[in-house]
Amino acid sequence: GNSVTQMEGPVTLSEEAFLTINCTYTATGYPSLFWYVQYPGEGLQLLLKATKADDKGSNKGFEATYRKETTSFHLEKGSVQVSDSAVYFCALSGRGSNYKLTFGKGTLLTVNP
Amino acid sequence: DAGITQSPRHKVTETGTPVTLRCHQTENHRYMYWYRQDPGHGLRLIHYSYGVKDTDKGEVSDGYSVSRSKTEDFLLTLESATSSQTSVYFCAITAGVSTDTQYFGPGTRLTVL
Repeated sequence: GNSVTQMEGPVTLSEEAFLTINCTYTATGYPSLFWYVQYPGEGLQLLLKATKADDKGSNKGFEATYRKETTSFHLEKGSVQVSDSAVYFCALSGRGSNYKLTFGKGTLLTVNP
Repeated sequence: DAGITQSPRHKVTETGTPVTLRCHQTENHRYMYWYRQDPGHGLRLIHYSYGVKDTDKGEVSDGYSVSRSKTEDFLLTLESATSSQTSVYFCAITAGVSTDTQYFGPGTRLTVL
């Protein structure tokens, strides 16, 4: 079956530091890949997505590239801000699966001033 | 705003009582999902619906049932709540076909004493 493994947290960074959160997946075929973000006390918001190999998703300074050869979709940001403190989830949607999402366990990011 | 509301937003109940959570959408989307979020597990799919009266199980469906009698509402029922069902429950929707992106509601925090 499908699975997503993402970097365990928590991750603590200083403002303006570089962020990488690793995500690898197992799936048959060509899934769509997602990063969702959850701010404290809120629901999940889509951060970015990619639907095919070598696609790069980007939003709010965050980027992730769909790497089929390494089955990875690592999240990066060049300069984090305090407001980026949140839980980040990597997820995939398999083809022909009624768009069901399989999530990683989440990574808590804390950015200090 | 994806036009999703969940009710109630918070509920405390006792073991053995029935509980129904409601998800309401205004987008007329075909697909609706119920997930639970627990520390160390990320989000896990409970049940989903791919149309009115069309539902199927997810990976953690034991102890839960669902119903969808009209497009806009998807109900999750715990027939006899247990302490292991203490969790945060999220509803999600997607249009499918043109997009596989899911949009999430604000969540319901359920505590079973």
